[in-house]
Amino acid sequence: AQSVAQPEDQVNVAEGNPLTVKCTYSVSGNPYLFWYVQYPNRGLQFLLKYITGDNLVKGSYGFEAEFNKSQTSFHLKKPSALVSDSALYFCAVSLNTGGFKTIFGAGTRLFVKA
Amino acid sequence: NAGVMQNPRHLVRRRGQEARLRCSPMKGHSHVYWYRQLPEEGLKFMVYLQKENIIDESGMPKERFSAEFPKEGPSILRIQQVVRGDSAAYFCASSPPEESWGYTFGSGTRLTVV
Repeated sequence: AQSVAQPEDQVNVAEGNPLTVKCTYSVSGNPYLFWYVQYPNRGLQFLLKYITGDNLVKGSYGFEAEFNKSQTSFHLKKPSALVSDSALYFCAVSLNTGGFKTIFGAGTRLFVKA
Repeated sequence: NAGVMQNPRHLVRRRGQEARLRCSPMKGHSHVYWYRQLPEEGLKFMVYLQKENIIDESGMPKERFSAEFPKEGPSILRIQQVVRGDSAAYFCASSPPEESWGYTFGSGTRLTVV
């Protein structure tokens, strides 16, 4: 069964510092990997995806993520955090089983302090 | 091109009543997914539908919950005889058939059972 783990409930960083939000996954087969962001009382917004190709993928708002097959990880990174990046971040994995069902991690709350 | 439309945004029901949540997918999207988000928790997969077909309902509670996606009209998530534990945010996502992993989320319906 596919699963996603986000080991940190919360990440605190100072504005201007680099940030990392961790994600590991477990699937049989080639995963499609995603990061979404959720602001209060809003739906999820797509940030970036890894389907195939270059292990480093770049997404919206300056975020990027690195796919590491040997470590089954897909950590989200940003070189310089902004206060406006404070939100709930979800890692997700999807597998083609004749249709795609996407499983989400529990979420990591990011706090960026000015 | 309107996004995924969910209504109502907020729904209050007394215990024992029925709740009907609607989701109109993006134009051209034939795949619909429902997720539930409990307070301070991640998104839990409920059901995956295509037009007139339930593809995967492995996340649906066995009783009181049902979903449909008719040939015409929105997808409906129906909860009969609601209980306080049903209070949550319910999110719908849709995707096109050629990239069924490409989810677009609605803003959600927040159900409160009193």
